[in-house]
This record gives sequence, C-alpha cells and structure tokens, in this order.
Amino acid sequence: GDSVTQMEGPVTLSEEAFLTINCTYTATGYPSLFWYVQYPGEGLQLLLKATKADDKGSNKGFEATYRKETTSFHLEKGSVQVSDSAVYFCALRGGGTSYGKLTFGQGTILTVHP
Amino acid sequence: EAGVTQFPSHSVIEKGQTVTLRCDPISGHDNLYWYRRVMGKEIKFLLHFVKESKQDESGMPNNRFLAERTGGTYSTLKVQPAELEDSGVYFCASSQAVGGDVRRNTEAFFGQGTRLTVV
Repeated sequence: GDSVTQMEGPVTLSEEAFLTINCTYTATGYPSLFWYVQYPGEGLQLLLKATKADDKGSNKGFEATYRKETTSFHLEKGSVQVSDSAVYFCALRGGGTSYGKLTFGQGTILTVHP
Repeated sequence: EAGVTQFPSHSVIEKGQTVTLRCDPISGHDNLYWYRRVMGKEIKFLLHFVKESKQDESGMPNNRFLAERTGGTYSTLKVQPAELEDSGVYFCASSQAVGGDVRRNTEAFFGQGTRLTVV
C-alpha cells in the first residue's frame, strides 16, 4: 500500500537558518504530494502541493519539488522565522480509486529560536 | 465562509465510557474524512463519507468505533467503550468533488481536531 516516510525530528534551528525536511514515498500510479502544517493550537493547513513529476510547489517561502525518480518531496526554506515553528506533515493522495484519501508521514516538529 | 468545525476540542474520559465526536464540514462539501493521530505517530485514515454513505471504512480500528453522517451534513464518531489506546487527536476533513466525480477532489480542509484522552 501507499506509505510516506519523513525525516525524524524534532528539528531545532536558529532564525534565518536553512531548512530541509526530507520526505520519501511509496505509491502505485501517479500520486499527488502535499505538505501540511499544524501551528500550535490550530488545525492542519495545506502548505503546498504538487500534482505531477517535476512540479514545484511553493508557498510562504517554502518549496518542494516532486521527484519521481527518487520518490521524494523534500521541503525547503532558505531562511526560517520563529513563526515557522510548527509540526510539518508530508502526505500523498493516490490516484484512481483512492477517492481523495490522504496518507501521511509521522510529522516533523520544527522549533525556530530567535 | 466557515471552515471545518470539530467538537469538542478536548475530551478526557475514563476507560469503558462512551465519547461522541462531532464534525461539521464546509457547507456543500460531499466528501468527509476522519483521521487519527496517536502518540505523535503518523496521521492515519479512518473512514470516508460521500454525502451520507460510507465510501471507505477500511481504516476503522475495530467495532468499538461507529461513524455516522446524518443527511449528508455533519458527522459523528462514537467510541464505545473507550480503551486507553484510543487516546489521540481525531481530525476531520472535507473536500468537494470536481464535476460530481468523487474520484476527483479539491483540496481537503481540516478541522482543528479533537484531543481525546482515555484514562
């Protein structure tokens, strides 16, 4: 079945540092890939997505590129801020008969210090 | 426009008791999903409604869990009797079918989750 493996955390960075959170997946067919973020006390929010190979999703300075050859969708940000502290989830949505069901990774806690 | 709303935000119950979680999806969204995150692990799919019908309930852990979606609007997830391992955060999400095709969906919008603690 489908699965997502995320880099284990927690990740602790200083403000303005470079961020990478690794994500690899296993899926049949052509899944869509997502990064969701959960800020403290809030629900899950879609951060960015990519629906086909070589697509780059971007939002709020974050980027991730859908790499089919390495089955990866790593999240990057050039300069993190304290307000980026949150839990980040990589997820995929299978094609065909998945009916929109999402498969998530285990989440990575990011803490950014001033 | 109101987002996905979940009630309660927190619930602490004793083992053996019953708890009912509620989810109000975004108005007009035919798809409603329940997910659960246990002990800092991955968020796992529980089940999927299309309107009032269960499309996929393959993720339901056991028969202590009962989900309903009355009239295709809000949904409830009942746990009876609750066990310690049921503790976790229960998320609800909704999305809209594109062109009436349930295999093609818009982005899923999530609620804030219900944190359930069974003691």
